[in-house]
Amino acid sequence: ETGVTQSPTHLIKTRGQQVTLRCSSQSGHNTVSWYQQALGQGPQFIFQYYREEENGRGNFPPRFSGLQFPNYSSELNVNALELDDSALYLCASSLMGVGGTDTQYFGPGTRLTVL
Amino acid sequence: QKEVEQDPGPLSVPEGAIVSLNCTYSNSAFQYFMWYRQYSRKGPELLMYTYSSGNKEDGRFTAQVDKSSKYISLFIRDSQPSDSATYLCATLYNFNKFYFGSGTKLNVKP
Repeated sequence: ETGVTQSPTHLIKTRGQQVTLRCSSQSGHNTVSWYQQALGQGPQFIFQYYREEENGRGNFPPRFSGLQFPNYSSELNVNALELDDSALYLCASSLMGVGGTDTQYFGPGTRLTVL
Repeated sequence: QKEVEQDPGPLSVPEGAIVSLNCTYSNSAFQYFMWYRQYSRKGPELLMYTYSSGNKEDGRFTAQVDKSSKYISLFIRDSQPSDSATYLCATLYNFNKFYFGSGTKLNVKP
């Protein structure tokens, strides 16, 4: 196990609703990245947070937003849910900076279904 | 064009076979390359991490990067049924953007 936890495990929402997914990083890690993985596809990079600031973003609309807290846990918020948002959402923590390796450790994911 | 393209598979081999998994990438600026293994209903786990060109070996696994052709490979020797999983190649760009291939599903038959 990586020490990265995510909640909830599964979630069902309807189109237009808002959702918040949570991630607890591995102890000592200061960076968290979020990914969307559609069925049969590889993870697609949503964004990365480093020391509570957004540090990079993939090709996702602004209705995907995030937060990183002082304890380095993180949230992914998605507004105005669309059917295509149905996917496995993964978070990955890593240690950036002096002594860091950029190696990411993934959590088990939250499976979101939008009806 | 996607940043990383991966052979779609699925790939089915007998136990003990040598497995070759391959990806190509589009941007010559990519320098860090990774292979992840993902079991069903689990998050990806890092197998190998390489920087620039060359080979890296870890037990039964060898990662190879050929920057001249923008080609990355993972070889698995003496494959085992427990190796059955989806294998994802990935690259890190600018230290803050990861690009993954679509994954190759491998089945090793006993």
